[in-house]
Amino acid sequence: EAEVAQSPRYKITEKSQAVAFWCDPISGHATLYWYRQILGQGPELLVQFQDESVVDDSQLPKDRFSAERLKGVDSTLKIQPAELGDSAMYLCASSLIFGTPSYEQYFGPGTRLTVT
Amino acid sequence: QKEVEQNSGPLSVPEGAIASLNCTYSDRGSQSFFWYRQYSGKSPELIMFIYSNGDKEDGRFTAQLNKASQYVSLLIRDSQPSDSATYLCAVLTGGGNKLTFGTGTQLKVEL
Repeated sequence: EAEVAQSPRYKITEKSQAVAFWCDPISGHATLYWYRQILGQGPELLVQFQDESVVDDSQLPKDRFSAERLKGVDSTLKIQPAELGDSAMYLCASSLIFGTPSYEQYFGPGTRLTVT
Repeated sequence: QKEVEQNSGPLSVPEGAIASLNCTYSDRGSQSFFWYRQYSGKSPELIMFIYSNGDKEDGRFTAQLNKASQYVSLLIRDSQPSDSATYLCAVLTGGGNKLTFGTGTQLKVEL
């Protein structure tokens, strides 16, 4: 069964350092999402790509976060510099299409980030 | 007012009972609604989606949607200990382009 791949699964970094996460969506899925999930809360959308274009990055803290999907396939999310409040699970998801009633997102295993 | 609201729980039910999870949403134009299950430390897993008023059944799970009252619910029949997890309600908002999640309801099924 096709799955969304993410790496690393766990990351511990010191504040002010740079950190990067990678995501490979399900083959053929044009839409890719990065979410942040703080413990006890639901996932919050950071950025959404349709192919290589950003559709929504309104909740992305652009002073420290960046995301790219250069060839419209895999994607990288970067944080520089990391802050203590960035400790969370970073989830990548993909979907075949969006904006239709049968829209379904499939999540990867996530990256657990701890900033010390 | 939050866009998607859920009672955080925990909701405790005995094994074999029906668990009822509720969710309300604020965007009256929302079209599609999703229930995800999330085990501790794991990523969300899609259980069901619904976009028509009424009930939709899939095995032990039934999703119910009432657009006039702006609520969606999930019923789990014959609850099992393996159903113990956090259940996230998600609503397709922003004209159908954005999935907004609630904070989740923690369900505990007790032996």
